[in-house]
Amino acid sequence: SQQGEEDPQALSIQEGENATMNCSYKTSINNLQWYRQNSGRGLVHLILIRSNEREKHSGRLRVTLDTSKKSSSLLITASRAADTASYFCATRPANAGGTSYGKLTFGQGTILTVHP
Amino acid sequence: KAGVTQTPRYLIKTRGQQVTLSCSPISGHRSVSWYQQTPGQGLQFLFEYFSETQRNKGNFPGRFSGRQFSNSRSEMNVSTLELGDSALYLCASRSQGWAYNEQFFGPGTRLTVL
Repeated sequence: SQQGEEDPQALSIQEGENATMNCSYKTSINNLQWYRQNSGRGLVHLILIRSNEREKHSGRLRVTLDTSKKSSSLLITASRAADTASYFCATRPANAGGTSYGKLTFGQGTILTVHP
Repeated sequence: KAGVTQTPRYLIKTRGQQVTLSCSPISGHRSVSWYQQTPGQGLQFLFEYFSETQRNKGNFPGRFSGRQFSNSRSEMNVSTLELGDSALYLCASRSQGWAYNEQFFGPGTRLTVL
């Protein structure tokens, strides 16, 4: 079952604009990770944010985490046509123990289209 | 370092057959997880192996199985294939059994069951 819900399901913008995607989850988490997927290919890891962090940056990416609202957002600034892809958030539950370290629960994803 | 590799990249099978997929993790990574991705169900966790031991299993029938070798390479097997098994199968590796490690994914194996 999917723990996360992502919003919007699809987003269409022009090059140079910013893109914001949101992710909500249901249970307490240890960390949250964002991934990108191009056309049914493998997932590319973008950024990991721990439950005790509120904001993290990586290049043009900015991720925020609000554990009280059980939500996260991914901001891509100055988007490019090459950013066109599906974006997924994935969570690792808190207190799951060592046997669950490799288990991520994914949201349904946001399809981002950036028009040149 | 080379990334996660998966073979084969594409497979076509018929119902009732069985299939074996292979995954080679990033050098030095001891944990391998498998996921199934379908349009209807999205990305779902199948199982994780760490140091040749299955540590966790998702909610899939027993037709789905896996194993890990001493060199950390992993295989998953699906027996008695059904049409609904058509999916992209992704494996991911992590460096060790620590909560904050990122998972790095391979390109996937596209399985089509006819």
